[in-house]
Amino acid sequence: NAGVTQTPKFRVLKTGQSMTLLCAQDMNHEYMYWYRQDPGMGLRLIHYSVGEGTTAKGEVPDGYNVSRLKKQNFLLGLESAAPSQTSVYFCASSRQGADSPLHFGNGTRLTVT
Amino acid sequence: GESVGLHLPTLSVQEGDNSIINCAYSNSASDYFIWYKQESGKGPQFIIDIRSNMDKRQGQRVTVLLNKTVKHLSLQIAATQPGDSAVYFCAETVDSGGGADGLTFGKGTHLIIQP
Repeated sequence: NAGVTQTPKFRVLKTGQSMTLLCAQDMNHEYMYWYRQDPGMGLRLIHYSVGEGTTAKGEVPDGYNVSRLKKQNFLLGLESAAPSQTSVYFCASSRQGADSPLHFGNGTRLTVT
Repeated sequence: GESVGLHLPTLSVQEGDNSIINCAYSNSASDYFIWYKQESGKGPQFIIDIRSNMDKRQGQRVTVLLNKTVKHLSLQIAATQPGDSAVYFCAETVDSGGGADGLTFGKGTHLIIQP
């Protein structure tokens, strides 16, 4: 049981480039989330999904898009990266909503120059 | 604004002592609270949770206390070990029928273990 797996672990982008972060979970969880973590800011929710084929905006969705084509995968896309998107990105999943424990991946450290 | 916060950004304790990490929340409607532990280079890891119909819940070496009157949450770690060194986050949410976007995280307390 791998839990939540994120790829890649590190990435450096130039301003304007695009990329996709992949999250996979093998726990058959319905809910999946993307957070970003910045120093002194804690974890902030970008987008989330309550099931296959659904997505919704979180607290800081601008500049990001997501897709949940398969229940086990949740993709986070940056169409035109900006330095303000330099952060550590965490994917999480849960059996039910936010009132059940989240299981996190180990993060993707993204630097935009 | 931030509805969940922590009293201290850094807490230093001696190995073997008990640690107490505090958290204040402002939303009186919050009814589910969680503590997470985040080690360097890793994602947050669930430690323990508590619902608002309880005042105290115990796990292995950890206890969470909830004081709804003053909207205060604490995590107690017994006999602190070097492996407990990490950043600890509290989080809260309102059980709105499975609302997935309702979880609010505090900024975290860095627990440092002195040998």
